[in-house]
Amino acid sequence: GDSVTQMEGPVTLSEEAFLTINCTYTATGYPSLFWYVQYPGEGLQLLLKATKADDKGSNKGFEATYRKETTSFHLEKGSVQVSDSAVYFCALRDTNAGKSTFGDGTTLTVKP
Amino acid sequence: GAGVSQSPSNKVTEKGKDVELRCDPISGHTALYWYRQSLGQGLEFLIYFQGNSAPDKSGLPSDRFSAERTGGSVSTLTIQRTQQEDSAVYLCASSLDRATYEQYFGPGTRLTVT
Repeated sequence: GDSVTQMEGPVTLSEEAFLTINCTYTATGYPSLFWYVQYPGEGLQLLLKATKADDKGSNKGFEATYRKETTSFHLEKGSVQVSDSAVYFCALRDTNAGKSTFGDGTTLTVKP
Repeated sequence: GAGVSQSPSNKVTEKGKDVELRCDPISGHTALYWYRQSLGQGLEFLIYFQGNSAPDKSGLPSDRFSAERTGGSVSTLTIQRTQQEDSAVYLCASSLDRATYEQYFGPGTRLTVT
């Protein structure tokens, strides 16, 4: 079945540091890939997505590139801010299925 | 417009009692999903409704769990004879249709079984 493996947290960075959160997947079909973010006390929000190989999703300074050859979708940001502190979830959705499969989440804390 | 809403936001119940959790999806969204998020864990898929099609129940952990969706809109997740391991945040999401990628999540219902 489908699965998503995320880099274990928690991750603690200083403001303006470079962020990478690794995500790899296994899927039987041709999935779309997503990063969701959950800020403290809030619900899950879609951060970015990529629907086919080599697509790059981007939003709020975050980027992730769909790499089919390495089955990866790593999240990156060049300069994190305190307001980026949240839990980040990598997810995939197979085009033949309605449900999404999520990773376990990575908690990011950014210190001033 | 209004997002996905869920009620109650918190529910504390005694072991062995039945509970009902409600989800109101975004108006016009034909696809509705239930997930469970246990402490420190990712989201576990429970059940998926798409229009008038038979739901995908493949994620329901036991026959104590059931869900229905009335009139293609509101959904209720029922847990019978609750156990302590059922304690989790239950999330509902909706999307425009099966093919649309974005799922919009509600705030969740935090269930605590004592």
